[in-house]
Amino acid sequence: QMQLQESGPGLVRASETLSLTCIVSGDSVTNYHWSWFRQPPGKGLEWLGFISYSGGTNYNPSLKGRVTMSLDTSQNQFSLKMDSVAATDTAMYYCARNPYDWGQGTLVIVSS
Amino acid sequence: EIVLTQSPGTLSLSPGDRATVSCRVSQTVNPSFVAWYQQKPGQAPRLLMYGTSTRATGIPDRFSGSGSGTDFTLTISRLEPEDFAVYYCQQYARSPITFGQGTRLDVK
Repeated sequence: QMQLQESGPGLVRASETLSLTCIVSGDSVTNYHWSWFRQPPGKGLEWLGFISYSGGTNYNPSLKGRVTMSLDTSQNQFSLKMDSVAATDTAMYYCARNPYDWGQGTLVIVSS
Repeated sequence: EIVLTQSPGTLSLSPGDRATVSCRVSQTVNPSFVAWYQQKPGQAPRLLMYGTSTRATGIPDRFSGSGSGTDFTLTISRLEPEDFAVYYCQQYARSPITFGQGTRLDVK
């Protein structure tokens, strides 16, 4: 049974970089594509992008180049970095093997 | 970008009723890449259906999905108390992956 667990700071200052990691257990990150999603409080779901098992990436154009994803096969995890965050980036962030397996999510609050 | 429009926005029903949620897609998508999720407050989305009509592991058979082209439907044949939640459709056929805005299923 695959499990995904997000980790990272719950509070980020505006204009700084948000960094999250997703630890995968039960299977290898080299076997699948991996996605990041987010959900602002009380709102719907947004796909941020994915990283392939080989490290190729595809980002949501709406994020205007602020997002970088990476794969760490030695630690069986993958990561998200989002630059120049603002209050509108406050959300629950989820990692997933879309559509099948999702993490529980981690709340990131951007403070001014 | 493919836009998904769910209807209704809110559905008020009673336990035992039948629920139908519609998801209209702005462009034809391969049904193999349409999914439905259930989300309860404070929880991550839970996959219900993928490939339009395949139930995810552990999903009871009162949940069913159908559709093709631009019109997809999630049906709950007989509502149980634990089914009252928000439901989202998703297309993962083309980038960017997109979701419907959600349908809230409330107790009448």
